[in-house]
Amino acid sequence: DAGITQSPRHKVTETGTPVTLRCHQTENHRYMYWYRQDPGHGLRLIHYSYGVKDTDKGEVSDGYSVSRSKTEDFLLTLESATSSQTSVYFCAISVDGIYEQYFGPGTRLTVT
Amino acid sequence: GENVEQHPSTLSVQEGDSAVIKCTYSDSASNYFPWYKQELGKRPQLIIDIRSNVGEKKDQRIAVTLNKTAKHFSLHITETQPEDSAVYFCAATNSGSARQLTFGSGTQLTVLP
Repeated sequence: DAGITQSPRHKVTETGTPVTLRCHQTENHRYMYWYRQDPGHGLRLIHYSYGVKDTDKGEVSDGYSVSRSKTEDFLLTLESATSSQTSVYFCAISVDGIYEQYFGPGTRLTVT
Repeated sequence: GENVEQHPSTLSVQEGDSAVIKCTYSDSASNYFPWYKQELGKRPQLIIDIRSNVGEKKDQRIAVTLNKTAKHFSLHITETQPEDSAVYFCAATNSGSARQLTFGSGTQLTVLP
């Protein structure tokens, strides 16, 4: 499983509250990604990182921010959660030098 | 940006038959095409991939074919088994985009015993 963990694995929160999801890897890979998965939409890229403090927006970045202060951790923050952000969030890493991406176990977020 | 379309959205086959899932992409610069399998409640797992310099790749009962001219690629599963039942996703990326993958919307494959 490429040494990827996500926390928390499940979270229920109320509209308007801030939420931070954490992705942790043990192998110091350069590239990390955050996706959301919703029925009928596959996986959509939110943000990605290509190194410490190097991040960029993906397809569905509105309402989300990210930070990467250490190689091993990539944080996704919902500044003010909305019901439309109820989803399953997957972190992924790409092994340096090759294209393959490997996914973490996912976080199920429910915004009530 | 890249757009990936995947068909069909659902597919049922009898055990032992073959299954084919097709994807089309829009960006002619795309050069890497992975396929993922996702079982219920689990993470997507990479099962096979192909690069644009190759037309076909096989791994036991699964194979992927790529037609760069038509901009489509397909997943072929032969001798299907009940454990092949899952959602399958195709994706595409190009080397100039930090390996950003664009995914298809998925195919629910059901293998009937």
